[in-house]
Amino acid sequence: QKEVEQNSGPLSVPEGAIASLNCTYSDRVSQSFFWYRQYSGKSPELIMSIYSNGDKEDGRFTAQLNKASQYVSLLIRDSQPSDSATYLCAVLGNKLVFGAGTILRVKS
Amino acid sequence: DAGVIQSPRHEVTEMGQEVTLRCKPISGHDYLFWYRQTMMRGLELLIYFNNNVPIDDSGMPEDRFSAKMPNASFSTLKIQPSEPRDSAVYFCASSVGSSRTDTQYFGPGTRLTVL
Repeated sequence: QKEVEQNSGPLSVPEGAIASLNCTYSDRVSQSFFWYRQYSGKSPELIMSIYSNGDKEDGRFTAQLNKASQYVSLLIRDSQPSDSATYLCAVLGNKLVFGAGTILRVKS
Repeated sequence: DAGVIQSPRHEVTEMGQEVTLRCKPISGHDYLFWYRQTMMRGLELLIYFNNNVPIDDSGMPEDRFSAKMPNASFSTLKIQPSEPRDSAVYFCASSVGSSRTDTQYFGPGTRLTVL
């Protein structure tokens, strides 16, 4: 079992819709959870971090964490074509471990 | 701040050659990380340093890989001898700390192709 699992996608959503990206992790002592966005040919860029159960909102982005279910998600409201990228879930236990990423395509 | 700087941006070499990748972290950051990204394995942590000291090198794939950090503003990742399976994008990242709230900032990466 991989430490951090994501659906590779691609996830295709129409412009203006809500994109929902999901991630599960195996290490129960994980403390912090991050979502990175990576455009093709570019480096990962942090867009959201969450540390406690519940929701955290930042503009069009909402991160959701459920430690009991070992599940973290990212919602992107009013999706734009510029949101098309690979989204990497990262989990911090003893070290930062990345999932393989979910490709998101927003169609105009 | 210029961000994390990596060089070269692209490297093409032949199997058996030595490859050296370079990284300059953000000034004031005391943690430096080396990652490798491939389609098959995703983004993998190879090694990280704290205050120039290697802390965890469990991700270094083989003895052919070595990393050094001679001072707070410079690190190298060396592959000797290189093999085609080493072809990947190598990222360097730095952070102020490694606690739960510390953000890692990534450099632009070095795309390595070993023929």
